[in-house]
Amino acid sequence: DTEVTQTPKHLVMGMTNKKSLKCEQHMGHRAMYWYKQKAKKPPELMFVYSYEKLSINESVPSRFSPECPNSSLLNLHLHALQPEDSALYLCASSQDPGGTQYFGPGTRLLVL
Amino acid sequence: GEDVEQSLFLSVREGDSSVINCTYTDSSSTYLYWYKQEPGAGLQLLTYIFSNMDMKQDQRLTVLLNKKDKHLSLRIADTQTGDSAIYFCAENPNRDDKIIFGKGTRLHILP
Repeated sequence: DTEVTQTPKHLVMGMTNKKSLKCEQHMGHRAMYWYKQKAKKPPELMFVYSYEKLSINESVPSRFSPECPNSSLLNLHLHALQPEDSALYLCASSQDPGGTQYFGPGTRLLVL
Repeated sequence: GEDVEQSLFLSVREGDSSVINCTYTDSSSTYLYWYKQEPGAGLQLLTYIFSNMDMKQDQRLTVLLNKKDKHLSLRIADTQTGDSAIYFCAENPNRDDKIIFGKGTRLHILP
């Protein structure tokens, strides 16, 4: 089983809203990732958690706040987003840091 | 520097073979990946190849690796309409957490 699940599938939010994206995997993977993907572009890495600790933050604005409550869950808290933050947000996991990454289906976010 | 190049578009007739090419720059890459992304979906790991291999075959998929030329290709035999997607080539040069993706090749299937 190489399944990574993400909720919600779609999200529409205003610029003053607070929302959260959720990601879950039960493969025992110890590294989890958040990516942002704009249309017709490859995914861009945002954050990496290794062994439940934030190991990489790719200079992402503070309106995006990641959280890793346990080894199976990864959240992305959103606050005061801008319309240009509208994108597909992908979660991925790998057995170990640097290992083969398996992606979830993504959350399509629209900021109005 | 690290860079992965691939052509942006490929059009193939149904039933023919598709060959998607990719070049990468970092010879230290241990693993090279092919991901498939259908419209509105996430990335599906299609296959990967270890750098000490030159070929890997999995059903209709064949991956060829020319390490000397830093060239990777994905051949899809008997291309079907369900193969219509964007295919991303990717490398992990430092075995750290950062995958370097190409821009993706959009495969269009002609009837």
